[in-house]
Amino acid sequence: RKEVEQDPGPFNVPEGATVAFNCTYSNSASQSFFWYRQDCRKEPKLLMSVYSSGNEDGRFTAQLNRASQYISLLIRDSKLSDSATYLCVVNRGGGNKLTFGTGTQLKVEL
Amino acid sequence: DGGITQSPKYLFRKEGQNVTLSCEQNLNHDAMYWYRQDPGQGLRLIYYSQIVNDFQKGDIAEGYSVSREKKESFPLTVTSAQKNPTAFYLCASSGWRTEAFFGQGTRLTVV
Repeated sequence: RKEVEQDPGPFNVPEGATVAFNCTYSNSASQSFFWYRQDCRKEPKLLMSVYSSGNEDGRFTAQLNRASQYISLLIRDSKLSDSATYLCVVNRGGGNKLTFGTGTQLKVEL
Repeated sequence: DGGITQSPKYLFRKEGQNVTLSCEQNLNHDAMYWYRQDPGQGLRLIYYSQIVNDFQKGDIAEGYSVSREKKESFPLTVTSAQKNPTAFYLCASSGWRTEAFFGQGTRLTVV
């Protein structure tokens, strides 16, 4: 089983839709969780950290479920500019090794 | 400005050559990472280093080598043993269990 798993998509959604991505992780000792955004042929950039209590940043909401070992990202009112690949990142417990999921591709259409 | 810098942006390698990709950070981060990304694929970890003079193999270390003589620098050498080196190479750094910051990447092409 991979350390971090994501549905690769693509998710094709109309503008204004709400879309949710899940990411599962295998190491129960994982300590830190993040969502990154990667545009085509660019480096990944931090979208948001994921906290145990859940956190929101504008149209984006991130949740952590430790019992089921998954994190989620919810995007409300999708914009064309949200089209990108979203990467789930987990920092393995006991060390400082960041493991990336393979990413979920989102395409927002008119 | 604090950040992480990779060079060169584009690199062309002849068959059988070793090439070295540079990665420098001034964020005072202890951890540094090298990832490889192939078209349409996710990031795969080549090597990572949690502290100076120490590094560990990632998932695809064969054909690559690294050094970590200084906290700021983590160069990656792509050796002739790497049979399919054409890819996008990304370097990142992070603090202890904090988010990673990436360089702009190096596109390596074998000619």
